[in-house]
Amino acid sequence: GNSVTQMEGPVTLSEEAFLTINCTYTATGYPSLFWYVQYPGEGLQLLLKATKADDKGSNKGFEATYRKETTSFHLEKGSVQVSDSAVYFCALSYNQGGKLIFGQGTELSVKP
Amino acid sequence: NAGVTQTPKFRILKIGQSMTLQCAQDMNHNYMYWYRQDPGMGLKLIYYSVGAGITDKGEVPNGYNVSRSTTEDFPLRLELAAPSQTSVYFCASRGTQGHTHTDTQYFGPGTRLTVL
Repeated sequence: GNSVTQMEGPVTLSEEAFLTINCTYTATGYPSLFWYVQYPGEGLQLLLKATKADDKGSNKGFEATYRKETTSFHLEKGSVQVSDSAVYFCALSYNQGGKLIFGQGTELSVKP
Repeated sequence: NAGVTQTPKFRILKIGQSMTLQCAQDMNHNYMYWYRQDPGMGLKLIYYSVGAGITDKGEVPNGYNVSRSTTEDFPLRLELAAPSQTSVYFCASRGTQGHTHTDTQYFGPGTRLTVL
């Protein structure tokens, strides 16, 4: 079936460090891929998305590229800030109903 | 626009009690969803709706019921609360751009439910 696997957290980085959060997926067909972010005490917000192979989603300095050959959608940012501390969820959408399947989430903590 | 709103923010129930979690959106979105989020886990889909009067089960529907009498509202009902339903519940909606449904879901702030 369809599934999403993310690297386990928590991830702790110093400000201005490089961030990678790995995400791989299993799906039939050609899903859309997403990264959602959840700040403390809030609901999820869409961070970026990609709808087809080789697409790159980007927002707020974060990037992720849809790699069909490796079934991956890794999240990267060149220089993290304390305000990036949050839980990051990778997800895929697999049919017309737009239902999302989420990874387990990766908690990021950025220290000054 | 308020977006997606959920009430209450927090609730403690005793085993066997019932309650309704409210969700409303003011974006005229056709699709609405209910998810639960357990600690250290991703979100799991409970129920969803593609429009007023139409609902369908997600991954984990047991112990829950929904209705969709209007486009705006999508309440989630727990009839006989059990400790396994202790979770954070998120409602989400999805709409259209022009004549096409977008694939972006907008989430409410969540309801934290504890069943003791």
